[in-house]
Amino acid sequence: EAGVAQSPRYKIIEKRQSVAFWCNPISGHATLYWYQQILGQGPKLLIQFQNNGVVDDSQLPKDRFSAERLKGVDSTLKIQPAKLEDSAVYLCASSSLRVVAGTYNEQFFGPGTRLTVL
Amino acid sequence: AQSVTQLDSHVSVSEGTPVLLRCNYSSSYSPSLFWYVQHPNKGLQLLLKYTSAATLVKGINGFEAEFKKSETSFHLTKPSAHMSDAAEYFCVVSEGLYNNNDMRFGAGTRLTVKP
Repeated sequence: EAGVAQSPRYKIIEKRQSVAFWCNPISGHATLYWYQQILGQGPKLLIQFQNNGVVDDSQLPKDRFSAERLKGVDSTLKIQPAKLEDSAVYLCASSSLRVVAGTYNEQFFGPGTRLTVL
Repeated sequence: AQSVTQLDSHVSVSEGTPVLLRCNYSSSYSPSLFWYVQHPNKGLQLLLKYTSAATLVKGINGFEAEFKKSETSFHLTKPSAHMSDAAEYFCVVSEGLYNNNDMRFGAGTRLTVKP
């Protein structure tokens, strides 16, 4: 089966500019995640969707970051305006819908978008 | 809140020798623990997971990990390293009571395999 697709793979912008990333999850996966991975650190969850609703966005800097998943399939993450500290790899992941509490549905990750803010 | 500490930022081994990547965790509940691998320019891939079943967990590519509650550890091992094992490895904890996808990643361990 096709994996999680992300685009673009690389993006270079200047601070205060805007940027958007796109993610297409694995077909049929109801849950979609956006992570930020700063160089030398592990991924940090930014936002989690279940279908087109937000489950968790507690770590999303809402003054400049926004994300949507309007039709419950693909998703867009936007940064406006970008800061130098936003330089990172942005990872998208998807998983099937959790059915039983306490069980784990594997998250499948895309290759990421590497953002450089100058 | 749950957290993980990967004790080594970089491990270097020779091909054919054992691999040990160390991970300690902190969790208020019975945790689920995972190891992910990230090869350059590729997505994260699940190596193995512990979710309260057998404490010795076998994963893909010959890797295994042992959950030791008394030591709050979940170290990753492999008997014999291969060149293709060179990658970044992440230990991950989830408290998993109500949201088993609430995962916290460690900072990662870069594994180098020398010929």
